Amino acid sequence: QQQVKQSPQSLIVQKGGIPIINCAYENTAFDYFPWYQQFPGKGPALLIAIRPDVSEKKEGRFTISFNKSAKQFSLHIMDSQPGDSATYFCAAYYTGNQFYFGTGTSLTVIP
Amino acid sequence: KAGVTQTPRYLIKTRGQQVTLSCSPISGHRSVSWYQQTPGQGLQFLFEYFSETQRNKGNFPGRFSGRQFSNSRSEMNVSTLELGDSALYLCASSLAGPNTIYFGEGSWLTVV
Repeated sequence: QQQVKQSPQSLIVQKGGIPIINCAYENTAFDYFPWYQQFPGKGPALLIAIRPDVSEKKEGRFTISFNKSAKQFSLHIMDSQPGDSATYFCAAYYTGNQFYFGTGTSLTVIP
Repeated sequence: KAGVTQTPRYLIKTRGQQVTLSCSPISGHRSVSWYQQTPGQGLQFLFEYFSETQRNKGNFPGRFSGRQFSNSRSEMNVSTLELGDSALYLCASSLAGPNTIYFGEGSWLTVV
């Protein structure tokens, strides 16, 4: 079964907009929640990650919001640029186990 | 510092054949994991190796196997290929446990 559910499947925003990608999980044992960015022809690259003891984390234009009680987390991209057009994956992990990935969101930022 | 290197990058195989994919992790990384990526399914975990031992295994049939060598390089093998095995196979390495993993660019496998 899909341990991490990601939405939307695709997203189109204008340059400067704030795309939001959402993920939900069930297993409360997860203790590490990364987001990966993947460009065509490349492997996924770590973008930003959060642990459940923090409700928000910012790195540059990228922000993760984490809601432990709702078992949801989301990625916000501030002032989005055409260069941010890529596929984004959320994931969840707990020590000694494996990474579980969402199904990905294809983001297109229109100039 | 070189990244994760996967070979070959592209290959075409016929149904029923077998294939071996290779992965060289980042220098010093001892954990190597493999993923299958297909449209709509995202990344599905295959297995993880640490110090030549399989530490975790995903939900794939026994046709999918792997191993890790003493220099941390890893190979995965798929026997009796099926059309549905067509995918991008990604290798990732990490320093110790799979806390922060770094992906290679993948091996594109097409089964015809």
